[in-house]
This record gives sequence, structure tokens and C-alpha cells, in this order.
Amino acid sequence: DAGITQSPRHKVTETGTPVTLRCHQTENHRYMYWYRQDPGHGLRLIHYSYGVKDTDKGEVSDGYSVSRSKTEDFLLTLESATSSQTSVYFCAISERGAGGFQPQHFGDGTRLSIL
Amino acid sequence: GESVGLHLPTLSVQEGDNSIINCAYSNSASDYFIWYKQESGKGPQFIIDIRSNMDKRQGQRVTVLLNKTVKHLSLQIAATQPGDSAVYFCAERGSGGSNYKLTFGKGTLLTVNP
Repeated sequence: DAGITQSPRHKVTETGTPVTLRCHQTENHRYMYWYRQDPGHGLRLIHYSYGVKDTDKGEVSDGYSVSRSKTEDFLLTLESATSSQTSVYFCAISERGAGGFQPQHFGDGTRLSIL
Repeated sequence: GESVGLHLPTLSVQEGDNSIINCAYSNSASDYFIWYKQESGKGPQFIIDIRSNMDKRQGQRVTVLLNKTVKHLSLQIAATQPGDSAVYFCAERGSGGSNYKLTFGKGTLLTVNP
């Protein structure tokens, strides 16, 4: 399995509180991604990173921010959590080899409930 | 509609049978495709990939077929086992050297009966 650790694995919090999810990788991959997975929508990209301090928005970025201060860590922050952000969040990593982009590999997710 | 874990297209097979899971993709310019398997409570697990310059690729017990004419992808699992029970979904990547983002399908739930 790819060396990806997401923390926490489960979290319950209240509307309006800030929440930070962490993704840690030991593969030294350049690219990192945050997705959310909801019934009826599949996996949707929130933000991604193409290097340290290089990030960009995905299709559902509103209400989320990210930071990547070092290769191995990619943080996802909900500045003021809302109930619509209740979801399962997945981190993924990938690299680009001689043959082009390689498959994304995923962590085991963080189940976030916002009451 | 389709959803992860709820109202997904489902495929139920007997242990030992072959399974075929289908995926229709949307972007005719996509040049790379991946199949993932997701077990309950876990993250998606890479199974096999294929580039658009190929029609078929085989792995261990799995084969992916790509039909670009009708924008269709299929995953064939030989001698399906109970451990193959999971949600399977495809993903596509739009063309362009700097495009590393994937678009995911919503999945098919495979149930293997012993």
C-alpha cells in the first residue's frame, strides 16, 4: 500500500468551528489531492497541490483552504464548518514518471460529521 | 441516480464466474483511464490503468477494454471471488501534458455470492 496516512480518521464537530485534516505521505510524491465523497456524487476534487507551496482549486473548493509547507504534508482546512461539509474526505498522491502521469493512490479517508 | 453505497448500479455474480463492469466516459479527448476498487470503510485502491493508444490491457485476473468509438470502458474480472465484492469505479484524465486531474465515475457495486 502507498504510504499515506490521514488524520484524524473520524471527527465530529459543530457548525461554525474550524477543522483541519491532515494527509501525510512517505512516498515523496510531488502531487497531492483532497477529495470528498458523497452519495450521489462520487469523488469530487476539492484542492490539489503540484509542489511545496503550489496549490490550486478543484471543482468544489468553496469553504475549504489548503496548505503544503513540505512535500510530505497536505492540510485541508474548513475555516467555519457547515453541515453541508459532512462527508468522507480522501487524500491522494501521484507522481509523474518517464511514461507520463502515474495512477493516484488514496488514503483510507477521514469521516467528518458536522452537527 | 447513482451514488456511493446507495442506489448504485449493482452486479451480483456467483463465485467463480467472470464479472464485467462497464463505464461510459464523457470526454472524447481523455487519454488515460483507471479502474479503482473501494471496499467498505477504505479508500479507493488502484486496480489497472490503460492509455488511449491501447484497446486492451491485462493484469492479474483483470482485463480492461477501451472502446474509444463509443467512449466505453469495461473491467473484466476472471473467476470472481468473495474478496472481489466492492464498489468499482472508473476515472478518466483529460488530454494535455500538464493535466493530472481525474474525473471519477460514480461506481458499480459488485456482490459475489459464495
